[in-house]
Amino acid sequence: GEDVEQSLFLSVREGDSSVINCTYTDSSSTYLYWYKQEPGAGLQLLTYIFSNMDMKQDQRLTVLLNKKDKHLSLRIADTQTGDSAIYFCAEKAGTASKLTFGTGTRLQVTL
Amino acid sequence: EPEVTQTPSHQVTQMGQEVILRCVPISNHLYFYWYRQILGQKVEFLVSFYNNEISEKSEIFDDQFSVERPDGSNFTLKIRSTKLEDSAMYFCASSPDNEQFFGPGTRLTVL
Repeated sequence: GEDVEQSLFLSVREGDSSVINCTYTDSSSTYLYWYKQEPGAGLQLLTYIFSNMDMKQDQRLTVLLNKKDKHLSLRIADTQTGDSAIYFCAEKAGTASKLTFGTGTRLQVTL
Repeated sequence: EPEVTQTPSHQVTQMGQEVILRCVPISNHLYFYWYRQILGQKVEFLVSFYNNEISEKSEIFDDQFSVERPDGSNFTLKIRSTKLEDSAMYFCASSPDNEQFFGPGTRLTVL
């Protein structure tokens, strides 16, 4: 079955770049997503990438996809304190409609 | 910007009672979903709904669960006889195609 893994915690200084990593197992993944969850809030869709792409950039966010290694990353440039949150990677496999989520990475931004 | 809304934000119930969690998806979306997140665990898919019927469901979504779209705007999740292990955050999502937009969640506490 599908499995999505992430490291649990990342701490960066304000102004630095953050890189959050994710690995997945399902080779039939079609779309891969990044969601942000702030305390007490729902899941906010940040960006997503189709599996035939290897990079997508959207303002401060850059998504890199390595299909061979089944590795996805989210880079946040010029990280701000408002970026402190839990970041979830998720995949959609084949023709399924469901998303399979990773464990989430807690990003802490320090001054 | 249109958002998915959910009510109530917090529901407390006694074990064995029935609960109905309500969601208002984004108005022009066609696909609807329920997910749950037990404290400290991954976000798990429960069910997807399209064209007035269930399109996919997980092993978690057993006979005690049901979904309904009673009118043109609401999408509900009913849990018939709640168990302690049903305590979780329940998220509704809606989608026009490949992007899933989540509501803020309902925290269900079963005592």
